[in-house]
Amino acid sequence: DGGITQSPKYLFRKEGQNVTLSCEQNLNHDAMYWYRQDPGQGLRLIYYSQIVNDFQKGDIAEGYSVSREKKESFPLTVTSAQKNPTAFYLCASNPGTGITDTQYFGPGTRLTVL
Amino acid sequence: EDKVVQSPLSLVVHEGDTVTLNCSYEVTNFRSLLWYKQEKKAPTFLFMLTSSGIEKKSGRLSSILDKKELSSILNITATQTGDSAIYLCAGGTSYGKLTFGQGTILTVHP
Repeated sequence: DGGITQSPKYLFRKEGQNVTLSCEQNLNHDAMYWYRQDPGQGLRLIYYSQIVNDFQKGDIAEGYSVSREKKESFPLTVTSAQKNPTAFYLCASNPGTGITDTQYFGPGTRLTVL
Repeated sequence: EDKVVQSPLSLVVHEGDTVTLNCSYEVTNFRSLLWYKQEKKAPTFLFMLTSSGIEKKSGRLSSILDKKELSSILNITATQTGDSAIYLCAGGTSYGKLTFGQGTILTVHP
């Protein structure tokens, strides 16, 4: 089955800890994205990558970091510098910006800071 | 800064009603307008509208893009309880980014 997987489904973090959220896709898509969703605020772009070994900051990149060493993987690290990390995190992928603008989403990771 | 605004933010209707959801956008290098449905977790794609396809229809759902007014509407006729969800609108750019609106929470009562 082709698709996007995210793990874990739920994650609990103590203040001051870094945590890494996993995102994997087997769709052979070039572009991958990380969004944060808070109640009543829609989706906000954290980072995106249109090609391996390259990525750009989105609108709310502070306190987050990413890597894109493989086409199929785009992990997101939430660092202790992120002041309010409790949120629902969604990963998405896109075949390539010259093909379509449609992004396909994974099931999400809900992060809670204790 | 790109901006997408949806209205209303929430809507409660009864089964069988028709609803219209609104989306307005201010997006630099605008290329497309996308609608998604989010029930519990992952948003699922509904429609993409562009200059070459300003009207789309699928079953009871339809959408229109008005490039002059920088807006779009999503219509749902004969609503069902399964239509209860958050509906997200997003503006797409020529460099591969989507800017999302806040979403409209639709609740359909039996």
